[in-house]
Amino acid sequence: KQEVTQIPAALSVPEGENLVLNCSFTDSAIYNLQWFRQDPGKGLTSLLLIQSSQREQTSGRLNASLDKSSGRSTLYIAASQPGDSATYLCADPYSSITPRGSEKLVFGKGTKLTVNP
Amino acid sequence: EAQVTQNPRYLITVTGKKLTVTCSQNMNHEYMSWYRQDPGLGLRQIYYSMNVEVTDKGDVPEGYKVSRKEKRNFPLILESPSPNQTSLYFCASTNRGLPNTEAFFGQGTRLTVV
Repeated sequence: KQEVTQIPAALSVPEGENLVLNCSFTDSAIYNLQWFRQDPGKGLTSLLLIQSSQREQTSGRLNASLDKSSGRSTLYIAASQPGDSATYLCADPYSSITPRGSEKLVFGKGTKLTVNP
Repeated sequence: EAQVTQNPRYLITVTGKKLTVTCSQNMNHEYMSWYRQDPGLGLRQIYYSMNVEVTDKGDVPEGYKVSRKEKRNFPLILESPSPNQTSLYFCASTNRGLPNTEAFFGQGTRLTVV
């Protein structure tokens, strides 16, 4: 059974700081890993999807890495801004075709990030 | 604009009064899912659908029903809501089956059952 853990549960940093959010998973046989952002009272916005064949993926100030052997993914945010304040979730897609199909994302509980001006 | 649309965004209802939360996607995705998010428990899958008329239970299906009569729509039905179904609900869609594709989520429906 795949379990996804995110530590810390909450993080508060001053504006401008570079920071790393951590995501660990128990089953190293993952296909990809997806990072999401959730603003209070709002939906999930996909940030980055790292395929298992990739080591990292970049979008603007965000860089996500994936290390299957150690069961970890990190989300690096450069030069953090107050607008980055949100909860960040990582998710591992679980797919099982037989005997009973199952298609779901297994989520960590998230890291709540606060960037202070 | 590619999106997943849920309605309503907020709903307060009474125990036992049937309700439906609608979900629609405009990306022609085959796969759609419903999740609920609760403090301390995170996001858990309720039901999913791999195509029209093909649905299956997720991890927490009790008290819910779904239907997939059209590719773009995947409504979540609570026949007799109870207070323990108070939660934040999300609909998601993917182009094809996990794990090789990105998931897109709706804006969420906050349901309160009193």
